Amino acid sequence: EPEVTQTPSHQVTQMGQEVILRCVPISNHLYFYWYRQILGQKVEFLVSFYNNEISEKSEIFDDQFSVERPDGSNFTLKIRSTKLEDSAMYFCASSQGFGNQPQHFGDGTRLSIL
Amino acid sequence: RKEVEQDPGPFNVPEGATVAFNCTYSNSASQSFFWYRQDCRKEPKLLMSVYSSGNEDGRFTAQLNRASQYISLLIRDSKLSDSATYLCVVNDNQGGKLIFGQGTELSVKP
Repeated sequence: EPEVTQTPSHQVTQMGQEVILRCVPISNHLYFYWYRQILGQKVEFLVSFYNNEISEKSEIFDDQFSVERPDGSNFTLKIRSTKLEDSAMYFCASSQGFGNQPQHFGDGTRLSIL
Repeated sequence: RKEVEQDPGPFNVPEGATVAFNCTYSNSASQSFFWYRQDCRKEPKLLMSVYSSGNEDGRFTAQLNRASQYISLLIRDSKLSDSATYLCVVNDNQGGKLIFGQGTELSVKP
């Protein structure tokens, strides 16, 4: 079964540094998403991406964050000037369509900011 | 009111038991509903979509009541492998974003 893959599985970074989290969505999917989950809390939406542009973003997704699809397969989340509170699991997801099409999640990147 | 609210857990049940989870959502315009399961510190995995007429997948039955903005999941003949956190998820359809509940933890004991 095709799956969403994410790298790295764990990233440790000093506060103030930039990180790039990488995702390879399922190949025939057109919609891409980033979510995060702070330890012990619920999964939170960050951003959705379709047709090479952001469809929607949450309040969390401020100027510190950006997304890109640099080629036909990768989908990246960049976090500039990381803060301690950015420590979380970051999940990438993709779906074939919109609305009632289920989203399939990658196994996540655990980001630890020191 | 929380956007998606679930039963508090944990639920501790013996193998073979039937267990039900409830969930309410606040946005009456929501159109798509799902149950995901999440194992400890892993990614959410789709368990099943929830349709207006109710739907069943093996031991799992999902129900939706739009008038009450209420979703349920019933697990029959529970197995040890059903132990996980069950996430009620709503798609608001405005941008495809999924809104997650806090999750209900299930522990199935021998």
